[in-house]
Amino acid sequence: DVKVTQSSRYLVKRTGEKVFLECVQDMDHENMFWYRQDPGLGLRLIYFSYDVKMKEKGDIPEGYSVSREKKERFSLILESASTNQTSMYLCASSLWTSGAGNNEQFFGPGTRLTVL
Amino acid sequence: DQQVKQNSPSLSVQEGRISILNCDYTNSMFDYFLWYKKYPAEGPTFLISISSIKDKNEDGRFTVFLNKSAKHLSLHIVPSQPGDSAVYFCAASVIYGGSQGNLIFGKGTKLSVKP
Repeated sequence: DVKVTQSSRYLVKRTGEKVFLECVQDMDHENMFWYRQDPGLGLRLIYFSYDVKMKEKGDIPEGYSVSREKKERFSLILESASTNQTSMYLCASSLWTSGAGNNEQFFGPGTRLTVL
Repeated sequence: DQQVKQNSPSLSVQEGRISILNCDYTNSMFDYFLWYKKYPAEGPTFLISISSIKDKNEDGRFTVFLNKSAKHLSLHIVPSQPGDSAVYFCAASVIYGGSQGNLIFGKGTKLSVKP
């Protein structure tokens, strides 16, 4: 079974703190993604990576950065957390494709981050 | 601009009846469509998908229909069970940068199946 794990299920941080969210997958997937989920807004893509040390901005990258030093690990960094970054953060991974196929993504359990 | 739209934020259905969740899209280049199910405090899980060259795909109680001319797909759950109560996300697969596939998600529909 594909397994995507996230370092914390619940996290509470203060405004201005630097926050690290870690994601690890064990299926040797090339692609990894970070989303945030907010009520009424669905899943919004923050950043994604299709190879080690590669990263691409998603739809809402402002206030975030990412790091992918190893194939299995993709980190999301909030340089200076703000209250509007309170959200559910979801990590996902998928196989690289040539464009064909359903590009199924496998999700981790999520991290509920609260910024006070 | 939303490329994948789920216009119904919520749906309530009686146990044993059919649940129909709808999804519209705007980009005719989408080549695959997927449905995900999400329970509170869990990550989404893949449910069923359909290629753009097909008009129907069935897996047990779940069937997805695709109408390309209308740019519309729907997920049918028959019969609905209380355990189906969750948020359902429609997603479309798109090629990014020429060779990479990303998913574009709708905002989700919360299904409640009442006993």
